[in-house]
Amino acid sequence: GESVGLHLPTLSVQEGDNSIINCAYSNSASDYFIWYKQESGKGPQFIIDIRSNMDKRQGQRVTVLLNKTVKHLSLQIAATQPGDSAVYFCADSTSGTYKYIFGTGTRLKVLA
Amino acid sequence: DVKVTQSSRYLVKRTGEKVFLECVQDMDHENMFWYRQDPGLGLRLIYFSYDVKMKEKGDIPEGYSVSREKKERFSLILESASTNQTSMYLCASRSPGGAGYGYTFGSGTRLTVV
Repeated sequence: GESVGLHLPTLSVQEGDNSIINCAYSNSASDYFIWYKQESGKGPQFIIDIRSNMDKRQGQRVTVLLNKTVKHLSLQIAATQPGDSAVYFCADSTSGTYKYIFGTGTRLKVLA
Repeated sequence: DVKVTQSSRYLVKRTGEKVFLECVQDMDHENMFWYRQDPGLGLRLIYFSYDVKMKEKGDIPEGYSVSREKKERFSLILESASTNQTSMYLCASRSPGGAGYGYTFGSGTRLTVV
């Protein structure tokens, strides 16, 4: 079946550095992508989304890049802070469907 | 602030018990979803409901059922709990319109079946 995967299960970065979390998706028909952040003991929280007609979208300290040619998605976090420590996962969806396909997640650890 | 509220954060139940997990959203969303989250497996869709009294099976519906009698409430039922149903259960809701609207998740219910 279709799947969304992540290249690295754990990413450790120094506080203040930039973080890059990657994601590969397999459904070429996917046209909407989301990044979620899940802190320990909490439900996932929406970070940023992007539609397939864009290749880059910026939020506050976060940027999502979409490369449809190679079906790759990345989340960049600028000036990583201790509060960014969490599990991050991506999800994709196709217009006309109700559900998303989620990746298994990457744990981001911020080192002081 | 919009909210999805799951009634219990932690539950411990015995094998064979009938278990009810409740989820309420205050956003007037038509679509609601139940996922379970297990290490290494990510989020797997159990059931979803696109409107009141409507339900559809997700990817892993076996051993579960759901109820959606009111728009704001979506209940997950474990007919006869088993130890392999020990997991984190996440409820989500979404505004309709196909792709373009992300989920709002609840905080999750961590269920342990002993």
